[in-house]
Amino acid sequence: AQSVTQPDIHITVSEGASLELRCNYSYGATPYLFWYVQSPGQGLQLLLKYFSGDTLVQGIKGFEAEFKRSQSSFNLRKPSVHWSDAAEYFCAVGARGGGADGLTFGKGTHLIIQP
Amino acid sequence: NAGVTQTPKFQVLKTGQSMTLQCAQDMNHEYMSWYRQDPGMGLRLIHYSVGAGITDQGEVPNGYNVSRSTTEDFPLRLLSAAPSQTSVYFCASSYSDRGYGYTFGSGTRLTVV
Repeated sequence: AQSVTQPDIHITVSEGASLELRCNYSYGATPYLFWYVQSPGQGLQLLLKYFSGDTLVQGIKGFEAEFKRSQSSFNLRKPSVHWSDAAEYFCAVGARGGGADGLTFGKGTHLIIQP
Repeated sequence: NAGVTQTPKFQVLKTGQSMTLQCAQDMNHEYMSWYRQDPGMGLRLIHYSVGAGITDQGEVPNGYNVSRSTTEDFPLRLLSAAPSQTSVYFCASSYSDRGYGYTFGSGTRLTVV
């Protein structure tokens, strides 16, 4: 069965600094990978996704992520964070068929932005 | 507005009561799924559906039941509520199995006392 590990429970970054959130997955075939963001009391919003092609994918709100098959990783990056980026971030992997049978999520990384 | 609609937003149940969490989408999505979110646990898949009349279990199905009689609706039933089912529940839908990603509802916060 597939699994997702987000090693960092909390990350604190100063406003304007760069950000990298780590995600490692376990899946036997080529995975379908996603990053979602959740603001307090809200649902989840899709930031970006990877399922084939270019391993560097661009998303909304200035985020990008790089798929590295050799490291089983899909880390999320942003060159300069804004206070509004403070939220919970979830990495997820789709199983067979790109997620037709649902997603497996990591436990999330809570991002804190310092002024 | 198009999207995934969940009702109710908040609910308090007594142990042993049953209830149905509603989920509806108007995007003609084939794939739908239910998750529960607990602190420090991320989201865990309860049940999913790949089309009307087709459902299957996810990671944590015990105590929950689903059906999918139409493309639009995917209700989640709690058969006999337990305090361990206190959680935030999310419904999600997707257009394709080609990795397009899921659209999530805003969630139902359920407390079982």
